[in-house]
Amino acid sequence: GAGVSQSPSNKVTEKGKDVELRCDPISGHTALYWYRQSLGQGLEFLIYFQGNSAPDKSGLPSDRFSAERTGGSVSTLTIQRTQQEDSAVYLCASSPRSREAFFGQGTRLTVV
Amino acid sequence: QQQVKQSPQSLIVQKGGISIINCAYENTAFDYFPWYQQFPGKGPALLIAIRPDVSEKKEGRFTISFNKSAKQFSLHIMDSQPGDSATYFCAVSSGSARQLTFGSGTQLTVLP
Repeated sequence: GAGVSQSPSNKVTEKGKDVELRCDPISGHTALYWYRQSLGQGLEFLIYFQGNSAPDKSGLPSDRFSAERTGGSVSTLTIQRTQQEDSAVYLCASSPRSREAFFGQGTRLTVV
Repeated sequence: QQQVKQSPQSLIVQKGGISIINCAYENTAFDYFPWYQQFPGKGPALLIAIRPDVSEKKEGRFTISFNKSAKQFSLHIMDSQPGDSATYFCAVSSGSARQLTFGSGTQLTVLP
């Protein structure tokens, strides 16, 4: 597809379980971002990958959150031991050198 | 510390009217100022963006006005339509920290 693809679109998990969220960026985009959007709220920056550089992890809220980007393309955001406050929409975006960020549809995570 | 302040939180405009949303920032290192439009259940979509070397940019009915000395920028939607009803986010980024920092969002409703 031409756009950023995220999977799953919806995820319901039990408190304490681990979850993995996947992002397929637009081909050729060097930058990839993860954001979190709580219900009715703004977008909270989580992590940023740029090419082969070390990722900027300054937005990760706790050590339960981690992310990797394999081969400069697909990225996975992992949340360990999920808590109810982790419930949100997790958005991925990719960007070419021009800094225009293109977002996916998001993964709606519900922790019960 | 909130890096970008957006107002108003919500806005109701009659069809054909002008919608104006404002953002203010503190860090003079910011050099990229986009506006995103988000419909319910969708990821944000880039609407229009400006860099600080110009004071205004227009694309169709959408205009960004930029005041570098006041550290403010605004989105103007001319001839507002019901289809423009969405949440609008301003954002900022810099060359050294390319992740986008978003405003809190403005929910726009255009009445038919």
